[in-house]
Amino acid sequence: DAMVIQNPRYQVTQFGKPVTLSCSQTLNHNVMYWYQQKSSQAPKLLFHYYDKDFNNEADTPDNFQSRRPNTSFCFLDIRSPGLGDAAMYLCATSRDSQGNEQFFGPGTRLTVL
Amino acid sequence: DQQVKQNSPSLSVQEGRISILNCDYTNSMFDYFLWYKKYPAEGPTFLISISSIKDKNEDGRFTVFLNKSAKHLSLHIVPSQPGDSAVYFCAASSPGNTPLVFGKGTRLSVIA
Repeated sequence: DAMVIQNPRYQVTQFGKPVTLSCSQTLNHNVMYWYQQKSSQAPKLLFHYYDKDFNNEADTPDNFQSRRPNTSFCFLDIRSPGLGDAAMYLCATSRDSQGNEQFFGPGTRLTVL
Repeated sequence: DQQVKQNSPSLSVQEGRISILNCDYTNSMFDYFLWYKKYPAEGPTFLISISSIKDKNEDGRFTVFLNKSAKHLSLHIVPSQPGDSAVYFCAASSPGNTPLVFGKGTRLSVIA
């Protein structure tokens, strides 16, 4: 089945210790997104790639970086995680960038100790 | 400033009755609206959508209504089933290269 896969599902890191979350897709979609979602809040878009074009949201902290080495994979790097970065991180894909149906992965829950 | 608002954080409905989830938006440029459903420990999954050229879209037990003048949309689930218990997110997009904007979600509990 075509899908969006996120690894790991649960990640624990220490304050200030870099961490990388990964996302892969078998849908061959052009666009990949990273969202941060905290409890009882809307998913917050961090950035998205249209193919290789990187689009950073204006309020995404510099602490968050992303890489998309190919169509299938996208990584979220948190350079120096703080306690406030503990959240669910959702990866999503869509065929185009018109904001239509997005397909989400199961998410990675990040805990910062 | 929230452009998509779901003012009810939670809703409880008895099995077999109608569930109505509401969503309001402020950006008049939005032209496409979606509802996503999210179970615990899973990512959101697409449920139903509506374009601004329509005022109703139906898919089985799920119907979305759009009132453009009021900038309001609602999701109706009839009849509600226990398996519908989840968090429902409303999302909207505007023309061009713009990502979806999500609401905070409404947690629906369907009680048997």
